[in-house]
Amino acid sequence: DGGITQSPKYLFRKEGQNVTLSCEQNLNHDAMYWYRQDPGQGLRLIYYSQIVNDFQKGDIAEGYSVSREKKESFPLTVTSAQKNPTAFYLCASRDQASSGNTIYFGEGSWLTVV
Amino acid sequence: GIQVEQSPPDLILQEGANSTLRCNFSDSVNNLQWFHQNPWGQLINLFYIPSGTKQNGRLSATTVATERYSLLYISSSQTTDSGVYFCAVGNSGYALNFGKGTSLLVTP
Repeated sequence: DGGITQSPKYLFRKEGQNVTLSCEQNLNHDAMYWYRQDPGQGLRLIYYSQIVNDFQKGDIAEGYSVSREKKESFPLTVTSAQKNPTAFYLCASRDQASSGNTIYFGEGSWLTVV
Repeated sequence: GIQVEQSPPDLILQEGANSTLRCNFSDSVNNLQWFHQNPWGQLINLFYIPSGTKQNGRLSATTVATERYSLLYISSSQTTDSGVYFCAVGNSGYALNFGKGTSLLVTP
């Protein structure tokens, strides 16, 4: 099956700990994105990557880090510097070479700080 | 960044009713998409529609790029249409900016 796989689906973190959310896609898409969603809110961009070994900060990058060592993988680390990390995290990818320009999302990861 | 405003924020319909959701944006765009987020959080792409009109079953969408708005029409609504509808816009080489969504509840 082609698509975007995020793991874990649910994650609990103690304050002061770093945690890494996985995002893997087998769509052969060049661009990948991480968004954060808070209850009742829209999605806000954390980081994006348009090509391997390159990524850019989005609107709310503070307290987060990413890497893009492989085309199919774009993991997000939520560091202890992120003051309010409890949220729903969504990974997405887009085939910039296609005329459709459509963005596709994974099923999301729920992160709760306890 | 480009500002996106969606209206109404909340909508309750009885099954079978029709509805129109609106998305206004603050700058010219070459990418506009409508998404449906189901109760489990999954975002499904409904339309890629930077301009013009498209239809898919009971759903249709129209974007008037020169006036910076897009409309999503839902006809003969069903309970499975419930969820949050997002409009997202962008320009080449960057990610999409999302509105805050319209939360739709369709009752039997």
